[in-house]
Amino acid sequence: KAGVTQTPRYLIKTRGQQVTLSCSPISGHRSVSWYQQTPGQGLQFLFEYFSETQRNKGNFPGRFSGRQFSNSRSEMNVSTLELGDSALYLCASRRQGSYEQYFGPGTRLTVT
Amino acid sequence: KNEVEQSPQNLTAQEGEFITINCSYSVGISALHWLQQHPGGGIVSLFMLSSGKKKHGRLIATINIQEKHSSLHITASHPRDSAVYICAVKSLLLQGGSEKLVFGKGTKLTVNP
Repeated sequence: KAGVTQTPRYLIKTRGQQVTLSCSPISGHRSVSWYQQTPGQGLQFLFEYFSETQRNKGNFPGRFSGRQFSNSRSEMNVSTLELGDSALYLCASRRQGSYEQYFGPGTRLTVT
Repeated sequence: KNEVEQSPQNLTAQEGEFITINCSYSVGISALHWLQQHPGGGIVSLFMLSSGKKKHGRLIATINIQEKHSSLHITASHPRDSAVYICAVKSLLLQGGSEKLVFGKGTKLTVNP
């Protein structure tokens, strides 16, 4: 069974631009969570989607948004990029009823 | 104070040594995860615990719910165990199946040959 995939793996953007990252969960997994990892803050929860609905959201500004499609694939969008948004963005999927999460390889975003 | 504290932050060991990484948390939890992150970013879930002890190969994870503490042990450590080990908890405040993990800062382990 294929693992969680994320595209693109690397991305360079300039301040003020927007970016869209994509995550395809493991087949059959309907929950997708997004995380941001920076050297200073470590891993932080962004949001979780289940069956196209956002179930929970972390403490991030409204510039960070996401959505989930009917096939469980998820996208996250960051608008008006700031230098501090440079990070590794990870998504993870899980089966309904299970706590265990499976992580994707991440997208490394650099904002210049 | 962070909700999840890990110690030590950095750990260097010689091949073959017994390793212990500790995680303390301050909130009620329904599950605790131990994750491994290699250089390059990929994260692998090692264990998910809600009580007791789990063992997988040379890795052992324990949790004491009353003391709000968990440990990850590596027996007969090997250079390929070099990675960042991250403890994460699911807060009990979030019911209804919603999953919000709170992470420790990680422990960077280096095992020298």
